Amino acid sequence: TQLLEQSPQFLSIQEGENLTVYCNSSSVFSSLQWYRQEPGEGPVLLVTVVTGGEVKKLKRLTFQFGDARKDSSLHITAAQPGDTGLYLCAGEYDGTSYGKLTFGQGTILTVHP
Amino acid sequence: NAGVTQTPKFQVLKTGQSMTLQCAQDMNHEYMSWYRQDPGMGLRLIHYSVGAGITDQGEVPNGYNVSRSTTEDFPLRLLSAAPSQTSVYFCASSYTGPGYEQYFGPGTRLTVT
Repeated sequence: TQLLEQSPQFLSIQEGENLTVYCNSSSVFSSLQWYRQEPGEGPVLLVTVVTGGEVKKLKRLTFQFGDARKDSSLHITAAQPGDTGLYLCAGEYDGTSYGKLTFGQGTILTVHP
Repeated sequence: NAGVTQTPKFQVLKTGQSMTLQCAQDMNHEYMSWYRQDPGMGLRLIHYSVGAGITDQGEVPNGYNVSRSTTEDFPLRLLSAAPSQTSVYFCASSYTGPGYEQYFGPGTRLTVT
C-alpha cells in the first residue's frame, strides 16, 4: 500500500498568520490534488498539479509540487477565519488507474479571529 | 445539474443487517468511486468503476459489494454490517484521465451497533 503522509494533523492559529501544510510520499505521483472539506459536506477541489516544480496560486493559497513529484505543499498567507476546515492532499501514483486517488490523513485548520 | 447525490444522509444498522447506499451522478462521468472517511485516516478507496459494467477493488473492499449497470448509478452494498463499518461514506465521480477533478457527494453517515 502506498502511503501519503500529510502534516501537521492539526493547526490552530490566529487570524493573519501564515501556515504551511505538507504532503509527502516515497513514490512518484502522476498528479496531485488538494481538496478542502467543510463539516457535513464532501471534499471540494482546490487545485491540481501535474508538473514537477509547478507552483499554482489561488488568491492567498500557494501550492507547490516537488521537482521529483513525490511531495507537495500548501501555503496560506494571512489566514482568515473563513479558511477554517479540513485540507486533504490526494495523489494519483504513476502506473495506477486514472482517478484512483490515495488521500493523506488530512489537516484540520482552525483560524481564530 | 444535481451533481452527485447520495441517499440516505444518515443510517443506523444493527450488526448483521444489510443495506445499500445509493449514489447517482448526472454529469455523464465515466469514473465513479466509493470512499470511507474515518477520523485521522483521510479518505480510503473502497471500490471504483471506470464505466458501466466495470468495477474493481480499492484499498479497503472487504465487506462491501458494488455494481455498475448504468453510467449514472453506483450503489454500495453492505451484506452483513459490522461495527468496524461505522464511518462516513462518500461517493465521487469524474471524467477518466490524469488529474481530473473528482466531484463528491454530501456523504452518508453510517452507524453500526
